Formats: sequence, C-alpha cells, structure tokens
Amino acid sequence: DAMVIQNPRYQVTQFGKPVTLSCSQTLNHNVMYWYQQKSSQAPKLLFHYYDKDFNNEADTPDNFQSRRPNTSFCFLDIRSPGLGDAAMYLCATSRVLRNTEAFFGQGTRLTVV
Amino acid sequence: EDKVVQSPLSLVVHEGDTVTLNCSYEVTNFRSLLWYKQEKKAPTFLFMLTSSGIEKKSGRLSSILDKKELFSILNITATQTGDSAVYLCAVDGNEKLTFGTGTRLTIIP
Repeated sequence: DAMVIQNPRYQVTQFGKPVTLSCSQTLNHNVMYWYQQKSSQAPKLLFHYYDKDFNNEADTPDNFQSRRPNTSFCFLDIRSPGLGDAAMYLCATSRVLRNTEAFFGQGTRLTVV
Repeated sequence: EDKVVQSPLSLVVHEGDTVTLNCSYEVTNFRSLLWYKQEKKAPTFLFMLTSSGIEKKSGRLSSILDKKELFSILNITATQTGDSAVYLCAVDGNEKLTFGTGTRLTIIP
C-alpha cells in the first residue's frame, strides 16, 4: 500500500500560471520534505516541515511556497512557474529529522509550457 | 557546504557481472548514509548505514561504510536487468539529506 502519495503524477502548467502539487502520507511521520529533481541531477531540498515548523533552504526561490494544514498533507505552491522550474518534485517523510530513512512518494513531473 | 560525490556517473555491464558503486562525502554533523534505487519514479530505500565496517546485506546487494575515510560502497553481485537504475547515495547531516548525483547502472542482457 502506498504510504506517501503525490498528486498528480504529471502536471502541465502554463508559464506564469500558479500551480499546486500535493502530498499525503499515511505514516503519521512528523517530518515532510519537498525536493526538486531536474534531469540527471541529485534531488535538491527545497524545504521541510517538522510538525508545523517550516524550514526553508537558503537558496530556495521565493517563487516556491509550502503549506501543511495537518500531519497528513503537505502542498507545494509555485506562484509563477518559469521554464526552469520544470522538474520532478519529490515529497518525502521521515519519523524524525535525524538518523532515519526518508520514505518518498512517486513524484510529480511538472512541465511548464 | 555539505557535499556527496558518487562515482562512476554511469556504468554499463553484462548480466551476471558484479559491480561496485562508490560514494564519498563531506558532511558536518554526520548521522547516517543512505542508499536509494531510482528507476523511472521516486527513489526506493535500500540501506541505511551508521557505523563503520559493518556490512549491510539484502540479497545480492550489500553496502559498507568507512567513517574514517568518509566513503561508502554499494556492491551488486550477479547483476540482473532489473538492477538497471540510478543509484543515489544520500547523507543525513545538519537535519537534512544531501544527495549525490547518482550512478546510472545499465545491465545488458
């Protein structure tokens, strides 16, 4: 059974049109992460939530925002997608911040046209 | 800045061969090193290593960590076409995972 679920699997959006990607988890994990992975590159952490505490990476563009309304759900909002934002977006969860493996969702592949 | 370097970047071998994938790291506040297998979708977890010299094994896959020399290796014996994937190494430190760019492994039947 899927434990970290991302929707949609594929998303096409227009240049500059806001888009929201969603992630839900059934693991009751405290931490939820959003990664951006471009072709042939390593996943890059954008931000994470520890419970309701939001932690933004220093180099994450302001264009990227996130919401976590409850333990199970986390959203990635891209306010004005550019062509350079086309990527796979991975959601992951872990029980605690340290010393534990992260469980990944299937990813959402975002195309910007 | 934390850094994880994987080598080789890509590897093509014949079915049945044994391969060794390498991961070196420079991370402050090291907690653990993790290996993931990524096919066309999201990474799937393989191993988590926290102690030097203790081999973790799962079927034909095994991995070991050297915290003194700051590297890890992932071995796959008797490779199969289903092993074709990108293998990602990630290090847990400073409250986040830092990933390497991965090794793309292709198994030729």
